[in-house]
Amino acid sequence: DTAVSQTPKYLVTQMGNDKSIKCEQNLGHDTMYWYKQDSKKFLKIMFSYNNKELIINETVPNRFSPKSPDKAHLNLHINSLELGDSAVYFCASSQGRGGWTDTQYFGPGTRLTVL
Amino acid sequence: AQTVTQSQPEMSVQEAETVTLSCTYDTSESDYYLFWYKQPPSRQMILVIRQEAYKQQNATENRFSVNFQKAAKSFSLKISDSQLGDAAMYFCAYRSGRMGAQKLVFGQGTRLTINP
Repeated sequence: DTAVSQTPKYLVTQMGNDKSIKCEQNLGHDTMYWYKQDSKKFLKIMFSYNNKELIINETVPNRFSPKSPDKAHLNLHINSLELGDSAVYFCASSQGRGGWTDTQYFGPGTRLTVL
Repeated sequence: AQTVTQSQPEMSVQEAETVTLSCTYDTSESDYYLFWYKQPPSRQMILVIRQEAYKQQNATENRFSVNFQKAAKSFSLKISDSQLGDAAMYFCAYRSGRMGAQKLVFGQGTRLTINP
């Protein structure tokens, strides 16, 4: 059983297009995250939702819009894609209460390539 | 803001030998958590080991152990009896101990190669 799943795993698209990446977790967690891993493998937080409420919003272009229809899903929509958006995007989830047990579990990642 | 630094972009070790990956961090908080994640070629991020800042005892998980030096803000990972399956990118990460959901702050990663 996949704990955190993402679709699609690979996404190739043209500059200027709009695309979405979907994430689902079946761990019963309250909090979900989006991280971006650039071409140098550096991972950085983008957003976090706790029970459908946005709680972390790093300095990300407003072309990126997360949407959480329920606490098990967190989708990432990207408008007007640019070459610099090419990266691997990871979804993660955790209980979101802090503390020792609040480990973040990651999805398999979505490799986005903008041509 | 917290920062995490991994000063070794690449490391290599002979199979069955021991290797240590370095990590330093900067924070003004006294309560926090530290993690090592492994990213094999499959791209999946896998939690290897974690450490609470207020615990003096170093965490161990089978062949993986850490050397946590709070005063020096150092958190190194030791892999004993290296196996071919240990080849991966290893990321050190910091998480604030404040209540509620907190982001992970990652280091730049160390690529570990295992030589047969």
